[in-house]
Amino acid sequence: DVKVTQSSRYLVKRTGEKVFLECVQDMDHENMFWYRQDPGLGLRLIYFSYDVKMKEKGDIPEGYSVSREKKERFSLILESASTNQTSMYLCASSSPDRGQETQYFGPGTRLLVL
Amino acid sequence: QQPVQSPQAVILREGEDAVINCSSSKALYSVHWYRQKHGEAPVFLMILLKGGEQKGHEKISASFNEKKQQSSLYLTASQLSYSGTYFCGTQTFGSGNTGKLIFGQGTTLQVKP
Repeated sequence: DVKVTQSSRYLVKRTGEKVFLECVQDMDHENMFWYRQDPGLGLRLIYFSYDVKMKEKGDIPEGYSVSREKKERFSLILESASTNQTSMYLCASSSPDRGQETQYFGPGTRLLVL
Repeated sequence: QQPVQSPQAVILREGEDAVINCSSSKALYSVHWYRQKHGEAPVFLMILLKGGEQKGHEKISASFNEKKQQSSLYLTASQLSYSGTYFCGTQTFGSGNTGKLIFGQGTTLQVKP
């Protein structure tokens, strides 16, 4: 069974703080993704990575950065947290399969920025 | 650009049917459907590849019309366990093996006894 874990289920931070969200998968997947989920907006892609040290911007990368130093770990960094980054953050992973890549999601981190 | 799902929300009685639509402005290679129950992670349901095939999962099936760049999810004889938010994720040509999906805004389905 694929397992994707995220470092925290709930997080409260102050405006201006640097925030690290970590994601670990145990299935040797090449692809990893960070999404944010907001009511009425669905899942929006922030960044993704298709290999170690490789990253690409998604649709809403502003205010975020990522790091992938090891295959199993993909970190999302909020350089200076702002209140509009209060959201649910979901990590996912998949293995390349010619368009049939099933994404496996972690449980999510609900971040509140005060 | 996100695909557009319709309806945004639907309420059903047990045993009733529902259809959820997903439309894209871009040519699609595949459409993926996920369901997220309240407080849980999204879970994969099925993938539709170009070719107009129809797939099924329990009493949930889906179709993909690549010419219209649309997919529909059909839920027949709905059960209480079908309640949740359904997302379509679209993959366009050129995304290679990255597995990148663009998700719709979601359709909330509530099944009542």
